[in-house]
Amino acid sequence: KAGVTQTPRYLIKTRGQQVTLSCSPISGHRSVSWYQQTPGQGLQFLFEYFSETQRNKGNFPGRFSGRQFSNSRSEMNVSTLELGDSALYLCATTPSGGSYNEQFFGPGTRLTVL
Amino acid sequence: AQRVTQPEKLLSVFKGAPVELKCNYSYSGSPELFWYVQYSRQRLQLLLRHISRESIKGFTADLNKGETSFHLKKPFAQEEDSAMYYCALSGGSRLTFGEGTQLTVNP
Repeated sequence: KAGVTQTPRYLIKTRGQQVTLSCSPISGHRSVSWYQQTPGQGLQFLFEYFSETQRNKGNFPGRFSGRQFSNSRSEMNVSTLELGDSALYLCATTPSGGSYNEQFFGPGTRLTVL
Repeated sequence: AQRVTQPEKLLSVFKGAPVELKCNYSYSGSPELFWYVQYSRQRLQLLLRHISRESIKGFTADLNKGETSFHLKKPFAQEEDSAMYYCALSGGSRLTFGEGTQLTVNP
Protein backbone atom coordinates (compact mmCIF):
# COMPACT_ATOMS: atom_id res chain seq x y z
CA LYS A 1 0.00 0.00 0.00
CA ALA A 2 1.15 3.51 -0.68
CA GLY A 3 1.94 5.49 2.43
CA VAL A 4 0.45 8.73 3.64
CA THR A 5 1.24 11.54 1.25
CA GLN A 6 1.30 15.25 1.96
CA THR A 7 1.49 18.12 -0.48
CA PRO A 8 3.22 20.40 -0.88
CA ARG A 9 6.36 19.31 0.92
CA TYR A 10 7.67 22.84 1.32
CA LEU A 11 5.94 26.18 1.36
CA ILE A 12 7.05 29.74 1.91
CA LYS A 13 4.47 32.39 2.70
CA THR A 14 4.42 35.90 4.13
CA ARG A 15 2.58 37.16 7.17
CA GLY A 16 -1.10 37.75 6.60
CA GLN A 17 -1.42 35.25 3.79
CA GLN A 18 -3.35 32.02 4.04
CA VAL A 19 -2.24 28.50 3.18
CA THR A 20 -3.85 25.16 2.43
CA LEU A 21 -2.09 21.86 3.06
CA SER A 22 -3.25 18.49 1.79
CA CYS A 23 -3.06 14.97 3.18
CA SER A 24 -3.94 11.77 1.34
CA PRO A 25 -4.37 8.81 3.69
CA ILE A 26 -3.46 5.21 3.18
CA SER A 27 -6.18 3.44 1.25
CA GLY A 28 -8.90 2.33 3.63
CA HIS A 29 -7.92 4.75 6.37
CA ARG A 30 -10.79 7.01 7.33
CA SER A 31 -9.34 8.92 10.26
CA VAL A 32 -6.93 11.77 9.59
CA SER A 33 -5.21 13.73 12.35
CA TRP A 34 -3.07 16.82 12.00
CA TYR A 35 -0.13 17.84 14.16
CA GLN A 36 2.14 20.86 14.32
CA GLN A 37 5.79 20.21 15.07
CA THR A 38 8.09 22.99 16.21
CA PRO A 39 11.44 22.94 18.03
CA GLY A 40 10.01 24.83 20.99
CA GLN A 41 6.64 23.14 21.41
CA GLY A 42 7.29 19.69 20.01
CA LEU A 43 4.38 17.82 18.43
CA GLN A 44 0.98 19.31 19.14
CA PHE A 45 -2.38 17.96 18.09
CA LEU A 46 -4.45 20.22 15.85
CA PHE A 47 -7.56 18.22 14.97
CA GLU A 48 -8.88 14.89 13.77
CA TYR A 49 -11.38 14.12 11.04
CA PHE A 50 -13.37 10.96 10.51
CA SER A 51 -16.04 10.44 7.86
CA GLU A 52 -15.88 14.10 6.89
CA THR A 53 -16.57 15.27 10.46
CA GLN A 54 -14.23 16.90 12.89
CA ARG A 55 -14.17 14.53 15.81
CA ASN A 56 -11.48 16.01 18.02
CA LYS A 57 -9.81 19.38 18.31
CA GLY A 58 -6.68 20.70 19.98
CA ASN A 59 -6.01 24.08 21.50
CA PHE A 60 -5.28 26.14 18.44
CA PRO A 61 -6.92 29.42 17.41
CA GLY A 62 -9.72 29.54 14.89
CA ARG A 63 -7.26 30.56 12.16
CA PHE A 64 -6.48 26.86 11.93
CA SER A 65 -9.22 24.88 10.26
CA GLY A 66 -9.60 21.71 8.31
CA ARG A 67 -11.92 19.53 6.36
CA GLN A 68 -12.18 16.04 5.02
CA PHE A 69 -13.59 14.86 1.74
CA SER A 70 -15.64 11.79 0.93
CA ASN A 71 -12.51 9.98 -0.27
CA SER A 72 -10.94 10.62 3.18
CA ARG A 73 -8.41 13.11 1.85
CA SER A 74 -8.02 16.00 4.21
CA GLU A 75 -6.95 19.60 3.98
CA MET A 76 -5.97 22.04 6.64
CA ASN A 77 -6.05 25.77 6.21
CA VAL A 78 -4.28 28.47 8.14
CA SER A 79 -5.50 32.01 7.59
CA THR A 80 -3.79 35.26 8.44
CA LEU A 81 -0.42 33.62 8.84
CA GLU A 82 1.87 34.67 11.67
CA LEU A 83 5.60 34.17 12.02
CA GLY A 84 4.94 31.66 14.79
CA ASP A 85 3.04 29.41 12.40
CA SER A 86 6.34 28.37 10.83
CA ALA A 87 6.49 24.65 11.53
CA LEU A 88 6.40 21.16 10.15
CA TYR A 89 2.79 20.09 9.74
CA LEU A 90 2.24 16.36 9.94
CA CYS A 91 -0.80 14.35 9.18
CA ALA A 92 -1.39 10.86 10.49
CA THR A 93 -4.00 8.33 9.48
CA THR A 94 -5.59 5.23 10.93
CA PRO A 95 -8.34 2.94 9.69
CA SER A 96 -10.87 4.16 12.20
CA GLY A 97 -9.14 6.17 14.89
CA GLY A 98 -9.49 5.07 18.48
CA SER A 99 -7.06 4.77 21.34
CA TYR A 100 -5.34 1.56 20.41
CA ASN A 101 -4.53 2.11 16.77
CA GLU A 102 -1.18 2.87 15.31
CA GLN A 103 -1.07 6.20 13.54
CA PHE A 104 0.74 6.28 10.21
CA PHE A 105 2.48 9.56 9.59
CA GLY A 106 3.14 11.42 6.40
CA PRO A 107 6.44 13.13 5.60
CA GLY A 108 5.10 16.53 6.58
CA THR A 109 4.78 19.93 4.97
CA ARG A 110 7.43 22.42 6.01
CA LEU A 111 5.80 25.85 6.22
CA THR A 112 7.96 28.94 6.52
CA VAL A 113 6.30 32.27 7.22
CA LEU A 114 8.38 35.35 6.44
CA ALA B 1 -5.73 17.15 30.96
CA GLN B 2 -3.20 14.73 29.59
CA ARG B 3 0.49 15.40 29.70
CA VAL B 4 3.64 13.50 28.76
CA THR B 5 7.08 14.35 30.08
CA GLN B 6 10.38 13.12 28.73
CA PRO B 7 12.96 14.60 31.05
CA GLU B 8 15.99 14.00 28.85
CA LYS B 9 16.27 15.88 25.58
CA LEU B 10 19.58 14.23 24.75
CA LEU B 11 20.93 10.82 25.70
CA SER B 12 24.24 9.42 24.60
CA VAL B 13 25.45 5.87 25.23
CA PHE B 14 28.08 3.54 23.83
CA LYS B 15 27.28 0.57 21.65
CA GLY B 16 26.49 -2.46 23.76
CA ALA B 17 25.51 -0.44 26.80
CA PRO B 18 22.01 -0.55 28.26
CA VAL B 19 19.73 2.33 27.47
CA GLU B 20 16.64 3.67 29.19
CA LEU B 21 14.55 6.53 27.86
CA LYS B 22 12.27 7.93 30.51
CA CYS B 23 8.64 8.84 30.07
CA ASN B 24 6.16 10.01 32.69
CA TYR B 25 2.54 10.81 32.04
CA SER B 26 -0.43 12.48 33.62
CA TYR B 27 -3.89 11.25 32.70
CA SER B 28 -7.08 10.84 34.66
CA GLY B 29 -8.36 7.81 32.78
CA SER B 30 -6.86 4.50 31.77
CA PRO B 31 -3.87 5.38 29.59
CA GLU B 32 -2.94 4.02 26.21
CA LEU B 33 0.77 4.62 25.74
CA PHE B 34 3.06 4.39 22.76
CA TRP B 35 6.64 4.96 21.77
CA TYR B 36 7.20 6.48 18.34
CA VAL B 37 10.60 6.80 16.70
CA GLN B 38 11.98 9.02 13.98
CA TYR B 39 15.19 7.93 12.31
CA SER B 40 17.20 10.47 10.37
CA ARG B 41 15.35 11.58 7.21
CA GLN B 42 12.51 9.15 7.86
CA ARG B 43 8.94 9.53 8.95
CA LEU B 44 7.71 9.27 12.46
CA GLN B 45 6.70 5.65 13.03
CA LEU B 46 5.36 3.48 15.78
CA LEU B 47 7.95 1.54 17.75
CA LEU B 48 5.73 -0.17 20.28
CA ARG B 49 2.54 0.17 22.27
CA HIS B 50 1.96 -0.84 25.84
CA ILE B 51 -1.12 -2.90 25.14
CA SER B 52 0.83 -5.27 22.91
CA ARG B 53 3.44 -6.02 25.58
CA GLU B 54 5.89 -6.86 22.82
CA SER B 55 9.58 -6.38 22.20
CA ILE B 56 10.46 -4.53 19.02
CA LYS B 57 14.07 -4.26 17.84
CA GLY B 58 15.08 -5.35 21.32
CA PHE B 59 13.17 -2.51 22.99
CA THR B 60 10.59 -3.07 25.71
CA ALA B 61 8.47 -0.70 27.76
CA ASP B 62 6.41 -1.48 30.81
CA LEU B 63 3.53 0.61 31.97
CA ASN B 64 3.84 1.41 35.67
CA LYS B 65 0.57 2.95 36.76
CA GLY B 66 1.79 3.54 40.30
CA GLU B 67 4.68 5.66 39.10
CA THR B 68 2.79 6.86 36.01
CA SER B 69 5.75 5.91 33.86
CA PHE B 70 6.36 4.12 30.58
CA HIS B 71 10.12 3.97 30.24
CA LEU B 72 11.68 2.49 27.12
CA LYS B 73 14.55 0.07 27.66
CA LYS B 74 17.04 -1.92 25.65
CA PRO B 75 19.74 -4.05 27.24
CA PHE B 76 22.34 -3.60 24.51
CA ALA B 77 22.18 -0.48 22.38
CA GLN B 78 23.16 -0.58 18.70
CA GLU B 79 24.37 2.26 16.49
CA GLU B 80 21.25 1.94 14.35
CA ASP B 81 19.16 2.82 17.40
CA SER B 82 20.31 6.42 17.11
CA ALA B 83 17.11 8.40 16.53
CA MET B 84 14.56 10.70 18.08
CA TYR B 85 12.18 8.89 20.40
CA TYR B 86 8.77 10.20 21.41
CA CYS B 87 6.54 8.89 24.13
CA ALA B 88 2.85 9.43 23.38
CA LEU B 89 -0.41 9.12 25.26
CA SER B 90 -3.63 8.42 23.43
CA GLY B 91 -6.97 9.91 24.29
CA GLY B 92 -9.24 8.66 21.53
CA SER B 93 -7.52 9.50 18.25
CA ARG B 94 -5.63 12.36 19.82
CA LEU B 95 -2.00 11.68 20.62
CA THR B 96 -0.25 13.81 23.21
CA PHE B 97 3.48 13.65 22.67
CA GLY B 98 6.39 14.26 24.96
CA GLU B 99 9.09 16.59 23.73
CA GLY B 100 11.25 13.73 22.60
CA THR B 101 14.65 12.31 23.47
CA GLN B 102 17.45 12.31 20.92
CA LEU B 103 19.36 9.08 21.44
CA THR B 104 22.88 8.79 20.12
CA VAL B 105 24.66 5.46 20.25
CA ASN B 106 28.38 5.89 19.87
CA PRO B 107 30.63 3.18 18.38
